[in-house]
This record gives sequence, C-alpha cells and structure tokens, in this order.
Amino acid sequence: GAVVSQHPSWVICKSGTSVKIECRSLDFQATTMFWYRQFPKQSLMLMATSNEGSKATYEQGVEKDKFLINHASLTLSTLTVTSAHPEDSSFYICSARDPDRSYEQYFGPGTRLTVT
Amino acid sequence: SQQGEEDPQALSIQEGENATMNCSYKTSINNLQWYRQNSGRGLVHLILIRSNEREKHSGRLRVTLDTSKKSSSLLITASRAADTASYFCATESHTGGFKTIFGAGTRLFVKA
Repeated sequence: GAVVSQHPSWVICKSGTSVKIECRSLDFQATTMFWYRQFPKQSLMLMATSNEGSKATYEQGVEKDKFLINHASLTLSTLTVTSAHPEDSSFYICSARDPDRSYEQYFGPGTRLTVT
Repeated sequence: SQQGEEDPQALSIQEGENATMNCSYKTSINNLQWYRQNSGRGLVHLILIRSNEREKHSGRLRVTLDTSKKSSSLLITASRAADTASYFCATESHTGGFKTIFGAGTRLFVKA
C-alpha cells in the first residue's frame, strides 16, 4: 500500500522557538494532505487541509499564523509551529490522499512534539 | 471538530470475550472507517464501510453501519491481549471537502 512518512518522528524544542514537521507521500503524488493534532488520551483533531500550490484551509479555532502550512510539491507538505509554547506539545499526524487509488487516505506515523 | 461520540469511552474485558464499540456521527457520510492506535503510536487502518453497505467482516472484526441512525459498531470477537489499544471511528463526507473526522475513541483493555 501507499506510504506516508513524517520527519522527525519526535522533537523537543524550547519555548519560543519554531519547529518544522515534514509529511511526504513516498510512492504517490498527493494534491491534498491533512494535518491532525492529538493530545494525550484524546482523539485526532483536524487542524487544516493542505492544498498543493495554494493556501491551506484551516479548521475553526486553529491559528493560521501559528501553524504555517506549506504544500510546495505534490509529495511534500510541511507544518511549522511558530513560537512554540508548552501547550503546543502534542502528537501531530498527517495524511495524504492517493488519486490513483480512488483518493484512499493514508496516514503518517506521527511526530511527537515536546516544548519545554 | 469531531464528528461524533463513541461509547463506551473505555472498556475492560477478559481475553476470549467479545468487545463491542459504538460510534455515532452527525452528518451524511460517504464512508466510515475504523482505526486502531496503540499508545503513542500511529494509526492502523482496520476496515472501511461505505454508506451503501450495512455490514462488513474482516477476520475477527465485524462492522455494522446504520445510516438512518447515523451510527456504526465495531465488534472484535475472541479478543486477545494484543487487541489492547484505542479504537477510533472516522467519517468522510463529500460535503466536508473529503475531510476525515474522527470520533472520540474507545480505549479497550483486554486482560490476559
């Protein structure tokens, strides 16, 4: 099946710094990717839809200036958490749809962010 | 945003017993999927059921879908300790731009 990777798998950063998380579709081209956030013992909350070549669409309540999304190519979307704070510590998961497999969705393994 | 609720929130059973988890959702859907997640890990796709299907099986898993009640259930038969995980339903709706929205999840603990 299709594979979606994320990098890094985990990251620790200091409060006030920015962190970039990459999401790649390894064997297919994805015009649309999605970013989710998951706090401990909670479900996945959709943050935004990343569209190749255009601006991301953010869900209600998600600060677009804090969570910068760039979908620069058909295989790469990046999420940058700017001026990170401890409350941004979370598990970030991306997903991508494969247009050649009826837009079936594939999830990345997630990135654990800890802000100290 | 979350699509709906799952119940129970947590379920503890003995190995060999069956586990049933329920999911309710709010809007019309294209399909409903069930995922499993071990603590701190990524998602594992279990099964997808389309809006025109009522029941689907995969190994020890049985999923039902009732679109009139906007609900689904996941049955795991003859549970094993290795089934211990969180289980999430997720719905996809064409009206939502093909976004996938997750339910709150059920934490299943299977005692050996």
